[in-house]
Amino acid sequence: DAGVIQSPRHEVTEMGQEVTLRCKPISGHDYLFWYRQTMMRGLELLIYFNNNVPIDDSGMPEDRFSAKMPNASFSTLKIQPSEPRDSAVYFCASSFRGQDQPQHFGDGTRLSIL
Amino acid sequence: AQKITQTQPGMFVQEKEAVTLDCTYDTSDPSYGLFWYKQPSSGEMIFLIYQGSYDQQNATEGRYSLNFQKARKSANLVISASQLGDSAMYFCAMREISNDYKLSFGAGTTVTVRA
Repeated sequence: DAGVIQSPRHEVTEMGQEVTLRCKPISGHDYLFWYRQTMMRGLELLIYFNNNVPIDDSGMPEDRFSAKMPNASFSTLKIQPSEPRDSAVYFCASSFRGQDQPQHFGDGTRLSIL
Repeated sequence: AQKITQTQPGMFVQEKEAVTLDCTYDTSDPSYGLFWYKQPSSGEMIFLIYQGSYDQQNATEGRYSLNFQKARKSANLVISASQLGDSAMYFCAMREISNDYKLSFGAGTTVTVRA
């Protein structure tokens, strides 16, 4: 069974450039989550979707961040313009609805903004 | 208030020994789920084990078991017969209906297995 697929695995770009991270959730999952992980702040929830609809984006740090889920099998997280402090590992996770359902994580995108 | 508390930032364990990772949680939901994840140095987040709040028995998955004490609101992870590959960061997490099924994570515990 295919797990959550994220691309790219690594991204190095210069400050000011647009960055797009991609995620393909596990087929059939109702929920999709975007997280950011840094040493300083740990694992932070940025935004999540239920049935492709954004439910809570209160974790998105600034207007430079945006996320979309145009269909059940694809989501993007975009940063424009990027800044060095955006350097982190970004995870996408998906799950079925229910408190007994684990979230399954992709391998993450390691983002470095120079 | 912190929903998940992991008080041990780091632990060392000898290979083949057991190690217990502490996790306490805070919720007023009558029904909730508790999860443990492993994050090795390669970075991926791996789901290990789940415990439901109404489960009568402690969850087990291979060498992983959960010491669930509902009245004390604790869900400690026990790793038996530690292996070098168990060296990783371990996160405790909780999922509640009142939080719309989002996961609340603890700060994590780093486990280092010594040969």
